[in-house]
Formats: sequence, C-alpha cells, structure tokens
Amino acid sequence: AQRVTQPEKLLSVFKGAPVELKCNYSYSGSPELFWYVQYSRQRLQLLLRHISRESIKGFTADLNKGETSFHLKKPFAQEEDSAMYYCALRGYSGGGADGLTFGKGTHLIIQP
Amino acid sequence: DTGVSQNPRHKITKRGQNVTFRCDPISEHNRLYWYRQTLGQGPEFLTYFQNEAQLEKSRLLSDRFSAERPKGSFSTLEIQRTEQGDSAMYLCASRRPGTSSIYEQFFGPGTRLTVL
Repeated sequence: AQRVTQPEKLLSVFKGAPVELKCNYSYSGSPELFWYVQYSRQRLQLLLRHISRESIKGFTADLNKGETSFHLKKPFAQEEDSAMYYCALRGYSGGGADGLTFGKGTHLIIQP
Repeated sequence: DTGVSQNPRHKITKRGQNVTFRCDPISEHNRLYWYRQTLGQGPEFLTYFQNEAQLEKSRLLSDRFSAERPKGSFSTLEIQRTEQGDSAMYLCASRRPGTSSIYEQFFGPGTRLTVL
C-alpha cells in the first residue's frame, strides 16, 4: 500500500531563515510526487511536481529514491509562505490508478 | 470564475438523512476526482471518472456513497443514511485528458458537511 508521511504537523520559522518541510513515502513502484499548498481561505493548489524539476516561488524539492523522500526546501522564508503544505503521491496499482495519496500536511508559519 | 466549482459550500444535516453534492469541473477536463478531508488530515481519495466512466473507487467509499457523472460533465456525490463520521470537507478536482502527470489536478473549494 502506498503511504505519504509528513512528520511535522507544525513548523515555525523566522522570516529570512531556511525552510525544509519533510516528506517520506512508501511505494513499491516508481512514484510521482507533488507538493500542494493551501493558503488561508483559498483552495488547494499545486506548488510543484518532481517530474518537472522546477522551482516555484523559491521552493524546490528533490526526489531521493534511496531515502524515499521528497523534502520541500526554500533558502529564505517569506511571510507570504505561511500556509498548509501537503505532499502527495500518484502511483499506479495496475488498474491505472490516478488518485493522489496525500500526507497529513504541515502548517508552516513564518514569523516576522 | 472558470475554475472547479462545488455546491453547496456548506451542508448541515441530521444523522440518517441523505445528502447530495455537486461538482462542476473545468470545461475541457475529462477526468474528475472526489476526495474527503477530515480535520487534521490530508485529502483522501474516494473515486474518479474519465468522462462518464467511474474507473476507480477507494475502499473508503462505502455502500452508502454513490457518485455519478452521467454526461461526462458535472458529477454528483450522494451519501445515504448519513452518520456523524461522514462529517468532513468533500473536495472535487479535475484535470485535462492524457496520462502524463504534467496535467495537474485543479481543486474546487469543497463542500463542508456537518452531520448532527
């Protein structure tokens, strides 16, 4: 069974400090990993995906298959980064599975 | 607003009643997904459609839950004989045709269900 673990429910850092939100996954095949973000009173939206190897709003995430991790990083946090962050996995279970498996989320608070 | 829309946004019902939610996806999106999110948890996959065909159902989708997408456009999720444990945010998402994951899922605002 596939599983996504986000060990931190809450992460509080000061503005300008580096941020790392942890995500570990369990999946026997070759997964696709995503980070979704939900700002206050807004809907869930895609932040970035591992397959694109992109940097969005200064955030990056590298898929480490050896450690089964997909941690989200930003070198200098900004107050507008405060939000809920969800790591998600899209795996294939033989039947063309397309639903996402989400972690429980990490509430990131950036203090001024 | 051309994003995914859901109605109603809030629903309060008594235990044992039936409820129905509606999701209107982005117009050119042929895949539609339903998720459930309870307090302190991430969204949990329930089911998804490709056009009008329901292709996958999670074990979370008990017999009291049924989803339809009759014409391949909007979808409804019905919960029969609601229980207090059904209280949650029900999220709908849609995405463009194709098998590649570059086609992201766009989420709606959700319907918050409270069962008294």
